[in-house]
Amino acid sequence: QSVLTQPPSVSAAPGQKVTIACSGSTSNIENNYVSWYQHLPGTAPKLLIYDNDKRPSEIPDRFSGSKSGTSATLDITGLQTGDEADFYCGTWDRRLSVYVFGTGTKVTVL
Amino acid sequence: QVQLQQWGAGLLKASETLSLTCAVYGGSFSGYSWSWIRQPPGKGLEWMAEINYGGSASYNPSLKSRVTISRDTPKKQFSLRLSSVTAADTAVYYCARVTSGISLYHYYYMDVWGKGTTVTVSS
Repeated sequence: QSVLTQPPSVSAAPGQKVTIACSGSTSNIENNYVSWYQHLPGTAPKLLIYDNDKRPSEIPDRFSGSKSGTSATLDITGLQTGDEADFYCGTWDRRLSVYVFGTGTKVTVL
Repeated sequence: QVQLQQWGAGLLKASETLSLTCAVYGGSFSGYSWSWIRQPPGKGLEWMAEINYGGSASYNPSLKSRVTISRDTPKKQFSLRLSSVTAADTAVYYCARVTSGISLYHYYYMDVWGKGTTVTVSS
């Protein structure tokens, strides 16, 4: 059972915005940087956000991340059908001495 | 552009040892840490192990007694071994490059991933 909690699913119409929350604790999110991954089953996960709010150069600015206290958030604006995937947050956990992933959120474009 | 190519046996019997290898193409090997992550069917991602640029290994405590990560720097390869597998080890296994360090906080993320290897354990 993951120490990072995400909603199982979120959905919105094309062009709209979705927000995915990632809830953790002082041993993980609050005192470490958070990253976000997009994962289509059967393919390699893709890094979307690192260091809470930085994007690799190839990731469009429709994807943005933020962190406050023990929670982090991924926003996807201008939702596209190609965005349908599972999304995971991740960070180092000091108490467990492991990298932990969130429970994962399935994004559906209506 | 860095690419990771992974391979290994896809079908095992319970109690056997899982063995996977990941080769790094098109980029530096020695300056990075490398990890293995898996995803059981219908479940989320699980970080399994890491070998850092100094050659030190870290393991997920849930697997620590069964898992070994190693590297062959001249070949730019790293490997995973998981002993005494059971059906619960059935998963897609990914290798990945790790960028990590300490600034204001500890930063750690996987920025290059292999395509994954499906491993099925039969009883």
